[in-house]
Amino acid sequence: EPEVTQTPSHQVTQMGQEVILRCVPISNHLYFYWYRQILGQKVEFLVSFYNNEISEKSEIFDDQFSVERPDGSNFTLKIRSTKLEDSAMYFCALKRESSYNEQFFGPGTRLTVL
Amino acid sequence: AQSVTQPDIHITVSEGASLELRCNYSYGATPYLFWYVQSPGQGLQLLLKYFSGDTLVQGIKGFEAEFKRSQSSFNLRKPSVHWSDAAEYFCAVDYTGTASKLTFGTGTRLQVTL
Repeated sequence: EPEVTQTPSHQVTQMGQEVILRCVPISNHLYFYWYRQILGQKVEFLVSFYNNEISEKSEIFDDQFSVERPDGSNFTLKIRSTKLEDSAMYFCALKRESSYNEQFFGPGTRLTVL
Repeated sequence: AQSVTQPDIHITVSEGASLELRCNYSYGATPYLFWYVQSPGQGLQLLLKYFSGDTLVQGIKGFEAEFKRSQSSFNLRKPSVHWSDAAEYFCAVDYTGTASKLTFGTGTRLQVTL
Protein backbone atom coordinates (compact mmCIF):
# COMPACT_ATOMS: atom_id res chain seq x y z
CA GLU A 1 0.00 0.00 0.00
CA PRO A 2 1.68 3.23 -1.11
CA GLU A 3 2.10 6.01 1.39
CA VAL A 4 1.66 8.68 -1.24
CA THR A 5 0.34 9.20 -4.75
CA GLN A 6 1.03 12.00 -7.19
CA THR A 7 -1.06 13.56 -9.91
CA PRO A 8 -0.77 13.86 -12.79
CA SER A 9 1.67 11.13 -13.72
CA HIS A 10 2.69 13.10 -16.81
CA GLN A 11 2.16 16.78 -17.56
CA VAL A 12 2.97 18.45 -20.85
CA THR A 13 2.89 22.22 -20.94
CA GLN A 14 3.99 25.15 -23.03
CA MET A 15 6.84 27.35 -21.89
CA GLY A 16 5.55 30.23 -19.78
CA GLN A 17 2.48 28.38 -18.55
CA GLU A 18 1.72 27.66 -14.92
CA VAL A 19 1.60 24.09 -13.66
CA ILE A 20 0.47 22.60 -10.38
CA LEU A 21 1.73 19.21 -9.28
CA ARG A 22 -0.15 17.42 -6.56
CA CYS A 23 0.92 15.06 -3.84
CA VAL A 24 -1.75 13.08 -2.01
CA PRO A 25 -0.73 11.45 1.27
CA ILE A 26 -2.49 8.19 2.11
CA SER A 27 -2.03 8.43 5.85
CA ASN A 28 -1.15 11.13 8.30
CA HIS A 29 2.18 12.78 7.61
CA LEU A 30 3.69 15.90 9.02
CA TYR A 31 6.74 16.55 6.88
CA PHE A 32 6.55 17.10 3.14
CA TYR A 33 9.26 17.42 0.52
CA TRP A 34 9.65 18.02 -3.19
CA TYR A 35 12.58 16.71 -5.18
CA ARG A 36 13.23 16.76 -8.89
CA GLN A 37 15.30 14.69 -11.28
CA ILE A 38 16.28 16.09 -14.63
CA LEU A 39 16.72 13.29 -17.15
CA GLY A 40 20.08 11.64 -16.69
CA GLN A 41 20.94 13.66 -13.58
CA LYS A 42 20.71 13.09 -9.85
CA VAL A 43 17.67 13.57 -7.67
CA GLU A 44 17.83 17.09 -6.22
CA PHE A 45 16.15 18.51 -3.16
CA LEU A 46 13.82 21.44 -3.78
CA VAL A 47 11.94 22.22 -0.58
CA SER A 48 10.75 20.86 2.74
CA PHE A 49 7.49 21.87 4.39
CA TYR A 50 6.37 21.43 7.96
CA ASN A 51 3.56 22.87 10.00
CA ASN A 52 2.24 24.79 6.99
CA GLU A 53 5.45 26.60 6.23
CA ILE A 54 8.66 26.08 4.35
CA SER A 55 11.39 24.77 6.64
CA GLU A 56 14.17 24.64 4.08
CA LYS A 57 14.61 25.30 0.38
CA SER A 58 17.42 24.87 -2.12
CA GLU A 59 18.90 27.35 -4.56
CA ILE A 60 16.77 25.78 -7.26
CA PHE A 61 13.59 26.80 -5.45
CA ASP A 62 13.42 30.37 -6.66
CA ASP A 63 10.50 32.79 -6.89
CA GLN A 64 8.80 30.89 -9.67
CA PHE A 65 8.20 27.96 -7.33
CA SER A 66 5.72 27.83 -4.47
CA VAL A 67 4.25 25.14 -2.25
CA GLU A 68 1.15 24.92 -0.18
CA ARG A 69 -1.23 22.52 1.47
CA PRO A 70 -4.51 24.26 0.69
CA ASP A 71 -7.00 21.75 2.04
CA GLY A 72 -4.90 20.24 4.79
CA SER A 73 -4.43 17.11 2.75
CA ASN A 74 -2.98 17.56 -0.73
CA PHE A 75 0.47 19.09 -0.95
CA THR A 76 1.09 21.07 -4.12
CA LEU A 77 4.06 22.43 -6.03
CA LYS A 78 3.31 25.34 -8.33
CA ILE A 79 5.61 26.55 -11.06
CA ARG A 80 4.37 29.95 -12.16
CA SER A 81 6.03 30.39 -15.53
CA THR A 82 7.60 27.21 -16.76
CA LYS A 83 10.90 27.14 -18.61
CA LEU A 84 12.34 24.46 -20.82
CA GLU A 85 14.83 23.56 -18.10
CA ASP A 86 11.99 22.77 -15.69
CA SER A 87 11.39 19.57 -17.63
CA ALA A 88 12.08 16.83 -15.11
CA MET A 89 10.57 14.16 -12.92
CA TYR A 90 9.19 15.71 -9.75
CA PHE A 91 8.96 13.53 -6.65
CA CYS A 92 6.98 14.24 -3.56
CA ALA A 93 8.20 12.68 -0.32
CA LEU A 94 6.57 12.44 3.08
CA LYS A 95 7.71 11.63 6.56
CA ARG A 96 5.69 10.57 9.55
CA GLU A 97 6.47 11.97 12.94
CA SER A 98 7.32 8.48 14.13
CA SER A 99 9.57 7.38 11.25
CA TYR A 100 12.79 9.13 12.12
CA ASN A 101 14.51 10.32 8.98
CA GLU A 102 12.70 7.92 6.67
CA GLN A 103 11.07 9.64 3.72
CA PHE A 104 8.44 7.84 1.63
CA PHE A 105 8.53 8.82 -2.02
CA GLY A 106 5.70 9.04 -4.49
CA PRO A 107 5.88 7.64 -8.02
CA GLY A 108 6.66 11.05 -9.48
CA THR A 109 5.21 13.41 -12.06
CA ARG A 110 7.02 13.74 -15.34
CA LEU A 111 6.86 17.36 -16.45
CA THR A 112 7.62 18.16 -20.07
CA VAL A 113 7.91 21.81 -21.06
CA LEU A 114 7.74 22.51 -24.80
CA ALA B 1 30.35 20.92 -0.58
CA GLN B 2 28.44 17.94 0.70
CA SER B 3 28.14 15.32 -2.01
CA VAL B 4 27.40 11.70 -2.70
CA THR B 5 29.30 9.74 -5.32
CA GLN B 6 28.16 6.62 -7.07
CA PRO B 7 31.05 5.86 -9.41
CA ASP B 8 29.27 3.18 -11.42
CA ILE B 9 26.63 4.53 -13.79
CA HIS B 10 25.68 1.15 -15.19
CA ILE B 11 26.38 -2.38 -13.97
CA THR B 12 25.43 -5.68 -15.60
CA VAL B 13 25.48 -8.93 -13.66
CA SER B 14 24.23 -12.42 -14.34
CA GLU B 15 21.34 -13.78 -12.36
CA GLY B 16 22.65 -15.61 -9.32
CA ALA B 17 25.88 -13.63 -9.21
CA SER B 18 26.82 -11.40 -6.33
CA LEU B 19 26.43 -7.65 -6.48
CA GLU B 20 28.14 -4.66 -4.92
CA LEU B 21 27.14 -1.09 -5.65
CA ARG B 22 29.48 1.60 -4.45
CA CYS B 23 28.63 4.79 -2.62
CA ASN B 24 30.95 7.38 -1.12
CA TYR B 25 30.00 10.54 0.72
CA SER B 26 32.01 13.64 1.38
CA TYR B 27 33.80 13.82 4.68
CA GLY B 28 32.02 15.09 7.74
CA ALA B 29 30.35 13.94 10.89
CA THR B 30 28.69 10.59 10.34
CA PRO B 31 25.59 11.31 8.34
CA TYR B 32 22.48 9.23 8.02
CA LEU B 33 22.78 6.93 5.03
CA PHE B 34 20.16 5.38 2.79
CA TRP B 35 19.81 3.22 -0.27
CA TYR B 36 16.73 3.60 -2.46
CA VAL B 37 15.64 1.57 -5.47
CA GLN B 38 13.59 2.84 -8.38
CA SER B 39 11.89 0.46 -10.77
CA PRO B 40 10.58 1.84 -14.07
CA GLY B 41 7.49 3.96 -13.51
CA GLN B 42 7.77 3.63 -9.76
CA GLY B 43 8.76 5.93 -6.97
CA LEU B 44 11.82 5.56 -4.81
CA GLN B 45 11.56 2.65 -2.40
CA LEU B 46 13.75 2.54 0.67
CA LEU B 47 15.96 -0.57 0.78
CA LEU B 48 17.83 0.12 4.00
CA LYS B 49 19.23 2.85 6.20
CA TYR B 50 22.05 3.44 8.64
CA PHE B 51 21.87 5.81 11.57
CA SER B 52 24.24 4.36 14.13
CA GLY B 53 25.32 1.12 15.77
CA ASP B 54 26.15 -2.03 13.84
CA THR B 55 27.88 -0.99 10.64
CA LEU B 56 26.38 -3.85 8.66
CA VAL B 57 22.71 -3.23 8.06
CA GLN B 58 20.14 -5.52 6.58
CA GLY B 59 17.41 -4.34 4.29
CA ILE B 60 14.53 -5.62 2.27
CA LYS B 61 14.77 -7.98 -0.71
CA GLY B 62 17.93 -9.60 0.63
CA PHE B 63 20.10 -6.47 0.40
CA GLU B 64 22.65 -5.37 2.94
CA ALA B 65 25.04 -2.46 3.21
CA GLU B 66 28.16 -1.81 5.21
CA PHE B 67 29.17 1.55 6.58
CA LYS B 68 32.92 2.12 6.62
CA ARG B 69 33.83 5.36 8.32
CA SER B 70 37.50 5.19 7.29
CA GLN B 71 36.51 5.04 3.63
CA SER B 72 33.43 7.28 3.85
CA SER B 73 31.58 4.52 2.08
CA PHE B 74 28.24 2.80 2.31
CA ASN B 75 28.29 0.04 -0.31
CA LEU B 76 25.22 -2.00 -1.11
CA ARG B 77 25.54 -5.76 -1.53
CA LYS B 78 23.47 -8.77 -2.41
CA PRO B 79 24.91 -12.30 -2.48
CA SER B 80 22.70 -13.59 -5.30
CA VAL B 81 20.94 -11.28 -7.72
CA HIS B 82 17.51 -12.04 -9.14
CA TRP B 83 16.23 -10.79 -12.49
CA SER B 84 13.65 -8.71 -10.64
CA ASP B 85 16.46 -6.69 -9.06
CA ALA B 86 17.03 -4.87 -12.34
CA ALA B 87 16.38 -1.23 -11.49
CA GLU B 88 18.08 2.06 -10.66
CA TYR B 89 19.72 2.28 -7.25
CA PHE B 90 20.32 5.53 -5.43
CA CYS B 91 22.49 6.19 -2.44
CA ALA B 92 21.29 9.13 -0.35
CA VAL B 93 22.67 10.98 2.63
CA ASP B 94 21.08 13.18 5.24
CA TYR B 95 23.83 15.52 6.33
CA THR B 96 21.52 17.61 8.46
CA GLY B 97 20.43 14.94 10.91
CA THR B 98 17.05 16.59 11.03
CA ALA B 99 15.37 14.85 8.08
CA SER B 100 15.08 18.19 6.34
CA LYS B 101 16.57 16.99 3.09
CA LEU B 102 18.40 14.16 1.37
CA THR B 103 21.40 14.50 -0.90
CA PHE B 104 21.38 11.87 -3.63
CA GLY B 105 24.03 10.24 -5.74
CA THR B 106 23.61 10.05 -9.49
CA GLY B 107 22.37 6.48 -9.33
CA THR B 108 23.53 3.14 -10.67
CA ARG B 109 21.45 1.31 -13.22
CA LEU B 110 21.55 -2.43 -12.66
CA GLN B 111 20.93 -4.79 -15.54
CA VAL B 112 20.53 -8.51 -14.85
CA THR B 113 21.18 -11.05 -17.56
CA LEU B 114 19.60 -14.48 -17.48
